[in-house]
Amino acid sequence: SQKIEQNSEALNIQEGKTATLTCNYTNYSPAYLQWYRQDPGRGPVFLLLIRENEKEKRKERLKVTFDTTLKQSLFHITASQPADSATYLCASAPNSGYALNFGKGTSLLVTP
Amino acid sequence: GAVVSQHPSRVICKSGTSVKIECRSLDFQATTMFWYRQFPKQSLMLMATSNEGSKATYEQGVEKDKFLINHASLTLSTLTVTSAHPEDSSFYICSARPDGLYSNQPQHFGDGTRLSIL
Repeated sequence: SQKIEQNSEALNIQEGKTATLTCNYTNYSPAYLQWYRQDPGRGPVFLLLIRENEKEKRKERLKVTFDTTLKQSLFHITASQPADSATYLCASAPNSGYALNFGKGTSLLVTP
Repeated sequence: GAVVSQHPSRVICKSGTSVKIECRSLDFQATTMFWYRQFPKQSLMLMATSNEGSKATYEQGVEKDKFLINHASLTLSTLTVTSAHPEDSSFYICSARPDGLYSNQPQHFGDGTRLSIL
């Protein structure tokens, strides 16, 4: 079955360091991957979208990569801050439809 | 930016009650909206795709008679949990795709509804 997986449930880093989160997909080839941030008790907030023909996308302190050979996307937050602490979700549509297939998310904790 | 409003944010009610959750796109039209459910420490699981003017498409294992979806206009979809039981307690989240965009454009999510059935 088509799967999207985020292997790390939790990641703790020190303020100022770069956080790197991993998303892997199996049994399909998504045309794009999306990254969302979710705070406790809130809905997901869209951060970045990267297409399969794009190697890298940046937005302020955020960077996402897409490696179709490794079937993997990496999400980086540089100069991390305690306010970056949240759960980060990777998602993609498994087919040409619009509904998203989400990974379980990685809970990031940035400590001062 | 695109805003999706979901109401109510929290519901606590007795077993057997039916609960209606509204999802509105405030500044854009959305022919297609989605309903997800999220259990603690789990990811969002798609329940159904709501289409304006036609029947909703339900994912495997989701009872359509239990979770009634009505997409009456281009800005409003409702999810009614009928005769709710404690096992229906969860976090329900809707999302909407702005019309006129490519299929790979991001969805916009509501803030979710925490449903607790006693």
